[in-house]
Amino acid sequence: DGGITQSPKYLFRKEGQNVTLSCEQNLNHDAMYWYRQDPGQGLRLIYYSQIVNDFQKGDIAEGYSVSREKKESFPLTVTSAQKNPTAFYLCASSTGPNYGYTFGSGTRLTVV
Amino acid sequence: QKEVEQDPGPLSVPEGAIVSLNCTYSNSAFQYFMWYRQYSRKGPELLMYTYSSGNKEDGRFTAQVDKSSKYISLFIRDSQPSDSATYLCAMSATGNTPLVFGKGTRLSVIA
Repeated sequence: DGGITQSPKYLFRKEGQNVTLSCEQNLNHDAMYWYRQDPGQGLRLIYYSQIVNDFQKGDIAEGYSVSREKKESFPLTVTSAQKNPTAFYLCASSTGPNYGYTFGSGTRLTVV
Repeated sequence: QKEVEQDPGPLSVPEGAIVSLNCTYSNSAFQYFMWYRQYSRKGPELLMYTYSSGNKEDGRFTAQVDKSSKYISLFIRDSQPSDSATYLCAMSATGNTPLVFGKGTRLSVIA
């Protein structure tokens, strides 16, 4: 079955650590996105990539980094520079934003 | 003014009621309008997709777009407890600009 897989489902990070969230899709979609969801805030765009080896900052890119070396994969690194990283992170893919997104099941990151 | 405004609720209705969910927007360039449903601790799933103005119906769900008023709606007929979720509107302009999401409305359908 085609889909988009995020791992891990739950992640705990100590203060000052970098962590990487995985996102893999087998839908042959060109575009991939990372969103952050906080209670009462909706979905806020972190980074997006429309093609391999290219990506753009979203509205809240500070403290995050991404890579897009393969069409199927778009990992997100939450760096120690991100002051408030505790949130629910959603990855999505699409043939283009005008066609709607397919979302993964999310990763819940907690700073301990 | 935020680009997309959506009342967060919560909205609580009895089973069988007609539910109306709404979003307003400020960017007149938006052409593609979508509704996503998100169950607790899950990723959103695409529910309805509409291009430009007009209505679209799919089973118990109807999406309406009024571009002159910059207003979109989702109606749920004969609501069921399984419809209890957060509903997010999303929209984009032509080209490759990413979707802009509303904050979501949390709906509870009480049996």
